[in-house]
Amino acid sequence: DTAVSQTPKYLVTQMGNDKSIKCEQNLGHDTMYWYKQDSKKFLKIMFSYNNKELIINETVPNRFSPKSPDKAHLNLHINSLELGDSAVYFCASSLVGGAGENIQYFGAGTRLSVL
Amino acid sequence: GNSVTQMEGPVTLSEEAFLTINCTYTATGYPSLFWYVQYPGEGLQLLLKATKADDKGSNKGFEATYRKETTSFHLEKGSVQVSDSAVYFCALRSTNAGKSTFGDGTTLTVKP
Repeated sequence: DTAVSQTPKYLVTQMGNDKSIKCEQNLGHDTMYWYKQDSKKFLKIMFSYNNKELIINETVPNRFSPKSPDKAHLNLHINSLELGDSAVYFCASSLVGGAGENIQYFGAGTRLSVL
Repeated sequence: GNSVTQMEGPVTLSEEAFLTINCTYTATGYPSLFWYVQYPGEGLQLLLKATKADDKGSNKGFEATYRKETTSFHLEKGSVQVSDSAVYFCALRSTNAGKSTFGDGTTLTVKP
């Protein structure tokens, strides 16, 4: 049973297209995140949702729009894709303040290539 | 604000060599400290953690001690294996923060 699963694993698309990445966690966590990892492996947080409410939005272009239909899901929609959006996107979840002491659990990543 | 500075990579070692990856931090309050590991093609996973000063986290032969006086959490392993080749991230989480702060990652390659 995968704890944090995201789909698709690979996404190849043309500039200007719109695409979505889906994420689901079955850990019962209350907080979910999206991170972007560039080719140098730098990890940058994009968004965080706690109980379906947006709590972190880190200077991300408004072409990126997260949506959390419930606590177990956090999807990422990207409009008008640009070359610079090529990266690996990671979804993660955690239980804030719980016994897990804010340990984050990551999905396997979605490798986005914009041509 | 919070920040994490870790040793720049890449680091290349021979099998059975001693490993140290330095990590220092600045934070408000009393943060919890973490090391995450990312194996090729995978997401990050927790390697070890420490929640208060002088705590030692350990897992899979790796250790790190929470040093408040030097604001450090250096990762060590006495004898690395080829299978330890990965990217290692130091991270912190303050009790009053809504997010974790990650270092830039250190790529370790272990050669047979």
